[in-house]
Amino acid sequence: GEDVEQSLFLSVREGDSSVINCTYTDSSSTYLYWYKQEPGAGLQLLTYIFSNMDMKQDQRLTVLLNKKDKHLSLRIADTQTGDSAIYFCAESEGGYQKVTFGTGTKLQVIP
Amino acid sequence: DAMVIQNPRYQVTQFGKPVTLSCSQTLNHNVMYWYQQKSSQAPKLLFHYYDKDFNNEADTPDNFQSRRPNTSFCFLDIRSPGLGDAAMYLCATSREGAGDDYEQYFGPGTRLTVT
Repeated sequence: GEDVEQSLFLSVREGDSSVINCTYTDSSSTYLYWYKQEPGAGLQLLTYIFSNMDMKQDQRLTVLLNKKDKHLSLRIADTQTGDSAIYFCAESEGGYQKVTFGTGTKLQVIP
Repeated sequence: DAMVIQNPRYQVTQFGKPVTLSCSQTLNHNVMYWYQQKSSQAPKLLFHYYDKDFNNEADTPDNFQSRRPNTSFCFLDIRSPGLGDAAMYLCATSREGAGDDYEQYFGPGTRLTVT
């Protein structure tokens, strides 16, 4: 079955860049997502990338995809304390198909 | 402006006592999902509705049922909650389509405690 793996924890200083990494196993993945979950809240889609792209930039967020290695990363430039949250990598084959989530990376931003 | 609403936000039930969690949406999306998220784990899909078509995940226990009486509402019924069912339950919706329409919109979740 599909598997999505992430490191559990990342700590950065305010103003630095954060890079959160993810690997997945499903070669049929069409959409790769990054979701953010703040304490006590649901998941919020930050950005997504199609599998035929290798990079997507959206303001402070940069997503890099290495399809050959099935490796996805999320870079947050100028990390702020408000970025502290759990970040979930996820993949799906598209449409309303099942989305498989990673275990989440807890990002701690130190002022 | 809430788009996916879950009530209640916190629910306490007793071991073995049936409980129902509710979800409503104002987005008019045709797909609704229920996920279970245990502490420090990934959300796990239990089932989803495409319109009235119910789709159960193979490993979802029979103890979990769902109802979708209309487009706006979806319910999660846990017939005999066990201690292992304590978790955050997330409802999500999406619209069939291309590109951004594949986004799933999540509610804030209902945290279920089983005593």
